[in-house]
Amino acid sequence: EAQVTQNPRYLITVTGKKLTVTCSQNMNHEYMSWYRQDPGLGLRQIYYSMNVEVTDKGDVPEGYKVSRKEKRNFPLILESPSPNQTSLYFCASKRPGLALNEQFFGPGTRLTVL
Amino acid sequence: TQLLEQSPQFLSIQEGENLTVYCNSSSVFSSLQWYRQEPGEGPVLLVTVVTGGEVKKLKRLTFQFGDARKDSSLHITAAQPGDTGLYLCAGGTGNQFYFGTGTSLTVIP
Repeated sequence: EAQVTQNPRYLITVTGKKLTVTCSQNMNHEYMSWYRQDPGLGLRQIYYSMNVEVTDKGDVPEGYKVSRKEKRNFPLILESPSPNQTSLYFCASKRPGLALNEQFFGPGTRLTVL
Repeated sequence: TQLLEQSPQFLSIQEGENLTVYCNSSSVFSSLQWYRQEPGEGPVLLVTVVTGGEVKKLKRLTFQFGDARKDSSLHITAAQPGDTGLYLCAGGTGNQFYFGTGTSLTVIP
């Protein structure tokens, strides 16, 4: 089954404790992206990657890091999480090229930073 | 930052009623997509529109892209409880995507 998986689905942590949210897709998509979703703000793009070793900042990259060492994986790293990073996070992938290509989203990771 | 605003933010209607959701921006997009999201899940694509003035129909859903490619609307005819969910518009420019603020629709049986 074609899918995007994220782990963990739920995470409660404390300020300053480094964490990684993993994302993996089995559709051989070059393009992958991370979003955060907050009430009243919709989804905002954090980082995206056009291919292995190619990453770019989205709209709200501050406080986040990403890496793309393999085509299928695109982990999101919070080096020193803060309470304002409490949010619902989504990973997505799509075929490269045109913006009109469908993005496939993972099930989401709900992060709470105390 | 390119901002897509959706209205209304919340909508609660009776089964069988019609409704329209709007997505507006001050920026021009090369394409605009509509997604539907259910609780506990990621958004799922409903439609993509690329040409100014384009109208697409998906069963009871009608999508329109504005002539200037800055706005779009989603019209649902005879809403059903299964239409309940969060509707998101998303504009693409190159490799970046900007999502609207979302419209939470509840259809009451």
